[in-house]
Amino acid sequence: EPEVTQTPSHQVTQMGQEVILRCVPISNHLYFYWYRQILGQKVEFLVSFYNNEISEKSEIFDDQFSVERPDGSNFTLKIRSTKLEDSAMYFCASSLTSQETQYFGPGTRLLVL
Amino acid sequence: DAKTTQPPSMDCAEGRAANLPCNHSTISGNEYVYWYRQIHSQGPQYIIHGLKNNETNEMASLIITEDRKSSTLILPHATLRDTAVYYCIVGAKAGNMLTFGGGTRLMVKP
Repeated sequence: EPEVTQTPSHQVTQMGQEVILRCVPISNHLYFYWYRQILGQKVEFLVSFYNNEISEKSEIFDDQFSVERPDGSNFTLKIRSTKLEDSAMYFCASSLTSQETQYFGPGTRLLVL
Repeated sequence: DAKTTQPPSMDCAEGRAANLPCNHSTISGNEYVYWYRQIHSQGPQYIIHGLKNNETNEMASLIITEDRKSSTLILPHATLRDTAVYYCIVGAKAGNMLTFGGGTRLMVKP
């Protein structure tokens, strides 16, 4: 069964460093999403992406964040200058169309020191 | 999107049916009810969704009341691996952001 994959599974970085989290959505899906979950808190929406453009973003997704689909398979989330409060699980999701169910990857655990 | 209310936790005996309720009294006519679950810190796993009619798949059944103000997710024969946080989410379409609440932490006990 096709699934969303994410790399790395864990990332430790120093405050102020840039990180890139990678996702490979399900191959025929067209809509892509990033969510995050701070330890012990709710899953929060960050951004949705379609046709090489951001279609929706939350207040969390400020100028420190960017997303990109650099090739036909990868979907990346970049955090330019990480802060301690960026420590969280980051989940990628994809859906076939805007009307279809979102399927989530296993997540990347980011720890900012 | 409409807000949902779920009990924070529930227990269920292994092999018995788990019935997880959700209130969504402000749901509007074009909003679907989605159920996801999250096992430990894994990615949310889609379970089922519905609009008006009851739905069943290989994982669960979804019962939506006639007025659509509440629904129940039924796991017919819960196993220990069904221990997870279950989220009821209401939204107009899947392409929109999913708004996760606190969910119900289901503990399946031997």
